Amino acid sequence: DTAVSQTPKYLVTQMGNDKSIKCEQNLGHDTMYWYKQDSKKFLKIMFSYNNKELIINETVPNRFSPKSPDKAHLNLHINSLELGDSAVYFCASSQDLVRGQEKLFFGSGTQLSVL
Amino acid sequence: QQPVQSPQAVILREGEDAVINCSSSKALYSVHWYRQKHGEAPVFLMILLKGGEQKGHDKISASFNEKKQQSSLYLTASQLSYSGTYFCGTEGEYMTTDSWGKLQFGAGTQVVVTP
Repeated sequence: DTAVSQTPKYLVTQMGNDKSIKCEQNLGHDTMYWYKQDSKKFLKIMFSYNNKELIINETVPNRFSPKSPDKAHLNLHINSLELGDSAVYFCASSQDLVRGQEKLFFGSGTQLSVL
Repeated sequence: QQPVQSPQAVILREGEDAVINCSSSKALYSVHWYRQKHGEAPVFLMILLKGGEQKGHDKISASFNEKKQQSSLYLTASQLSYSGTYFCGTEGEYMTTDSWGKLQFGAGTQVVVTP
């Protein structure tokens, strides 16, 4: 069983479209995250949810909207896609909010290409 | 604020050693190390808490010098399986809204181990 699974693995779309990426974890963790990895391999945190509550919201354009229907799921919806949104998006989870003890479990990533 | 990793890349022959450094401009509570193989998700290696502890994972070990605000990852007697990009992630010392629950990653160090 995959611990953190996200779909789709690849997403190719046109500028201006709206798309969603889904993430599910079966580890019983309380906290989930979205990270963006750009072409230079920088991993940057975008959002984190703890028990369905938004905890971290980095300076991300409001075209990006996370939704957590329950603590096992965290989806990412992106409106009006732009070329600069092309990246690999990783979902991750941890038992609780990262504070020295909590390791992150990453999903396999979604490679988003905006044409 | 993201930590700075050095070197950016290193090429090793099997059996050789390497050191990867991770430095921060702010006081740290913990340092995490992850390894990402090409096209895969980052995988957790170890967490170090302030106190200057050292940890090991197989023949990979790390140290954390909180006074110098830096951590080093030691690859000893490298194996082909050590190839990948190594990321350090840091948590700030103080629980401010700027650092709480956020793991800031460095740009990564690409390690290539050749036969």
